Amino acid sequence: DAGVIQSPRHEVTEMGQEVTLRCKPISGHNSLFWYRQTMMRGLELLIYFNNNVPIDDSGMPEDRFSAKMPNASFSTLKIQPSEPRDSAVYFCASSQLRDRGNYGYTFGSGTRLTVV
Amino acid sequence: QQPVQSPQAVILREGEDAVINCSSSKALYSVHWYRQKHGEAPVFLMILLKGGEQKGHDKISASFNEKKQQSSLYLTASQLSYSGTYFCGTGTAGNKLTFGGGTRVLVKP
Repeated sequence: DAGVIQSPRHEVTEMGQEVTLRCKPISGHNSLFWYRQTMMRGLELLIYFNNNVPIDDSGMPEDRFSAKMPNASFSTLKIQPSEPRDSAVYFCASSQLRDRGNYGYTFGSGTRLTVV
Repeated sequence: QQPVQSPQAVILREGEDAVINCSSSKALYSVHWYRQKHGEAPVFLMILLKGGEQKGHDKISASFNEKKQQSSLYLTASQLSYSGTYFCGTGTAGNKLTFGGGTRVLVKP
């Protein structure tokens, strides 16, 4: 298995531009998570999906952020318009849901976003 | 609320032992442990569920005390490859994890 695949690996964009991050989870995993990592705030959960349905988006910073999971093999995280404070590493992770929580998460390689 | 990890950093010589603690103010359902090397993604080490079980991964093991809402990760006879930042992730309601601030571990020859 190729693991969780994220694209792009690096993104540099100007303030005000739209940014779209992409994620392909591991086949057979039915939970998908978007995390953001910064030195100041650590690993923050933005949103997660079970069986393609958004369950909790309370971590999404504001309306500028949106996420979709149109099918079991693809998810996007969109920022519009982007701001310098959005600069961070964005990780997608997938896992298999079971009766009591999840099995371990497999993280993608991350997208390093820089907004100038 | 984010779980609290301690210590924030530890430096070891090869072969030495260390303990990393993770405490939560909420009742826990599960605890995950991950290791992240610089510039890479976090990698899953182990999961502990309610029941006070202890698990192992090579010479790395962990315990979970649900009454105290705490988990500890034990690095035994540390190797150079153990260097990295260790995160605990705590599961409460639902199936989401909240991660601690991390513990940086440096193992020197």
